Amino acid sequence: QQQVKQSPQSLIVQKGGISIINCAYENTAFDYFPWYQQFPGKGPALLIAIRPDVSEKKEGRFTISFNKSAKQFSLHIMDSQPGDSATYFCAASRTGNQFYFGTGTSLTVIP
Amino acid sequence: NAGVTQTPKFRVLKTGQSMTLLCAQDMNHEYMYWYRQDPGMGLRLIHYSVGEGTTAKGEVPDGYNVSRLKKQNFLLGLESAAPSQTSVYFCASSYLGYMNTEAFFGQGTRLTVV
Repeated sequence: QQQVKQSPQSLIVQKGGISIINCAYENTAFDYFPWYQQFPGKGPALLIAIRPDVSEKKEGRFTISFNKSAKQFSLHIMDSQPGDSATYFCAASRTGNQFYFGTGTSLTVIP
Repeated sequence: NAGVTQTPKFRVLKTGQSMTLLCAQDMNHEYMYWYRQDPGMGLRLIHYSVGEGTTAKGEVPDGYNVSRLKKQNFLLGLESAAPSQTSVYFCASSYLGYMNTEAFFGQGTRLTVV
């Protein structure tokens, strides 16, 4: 059973556009929701993370929106750039326990 | 500071052969994990460890064994490789703490079983 469901599987965005990736979870005990970015041939690396006590977190062009009641969270990439082309994974965990990852979204930003 | 280092980076095995993947971290993290990454499946947890001498099963543990004899090392073993184990394997480690929960990943091991 997939603990974290992610969509879309792939996304193509024009340079300067907004990329939006969505995730949903079931376990209300999760208290940490990170997004990881992975470039080809590399391991995933933490991009941005949020805890359920806030509804939004912004770091530069990257924003996480969190809806606790709907058990959903999303990543917004503003002013998308070709260098943002990568695979993005959402994840969830309960502090002190293992991470559960979504199935990934392959983002392509067209110049 | 090397972070998380995986050895080897590439390997081709014949069906039935055995091998061990080594993961080493120099961040003094308590938690270590082994994931496999397959197209359309994301990152699936194979086994993990919450400290030296402890291991636990993840989502897809069948066909794999692990050991954590030292805090900095986490070994993943395949006793009798099968083509279904062709995948990219990632090791990760994290600190046990509410304010610092980031998982650091290695570069991956691409394993092909023929």
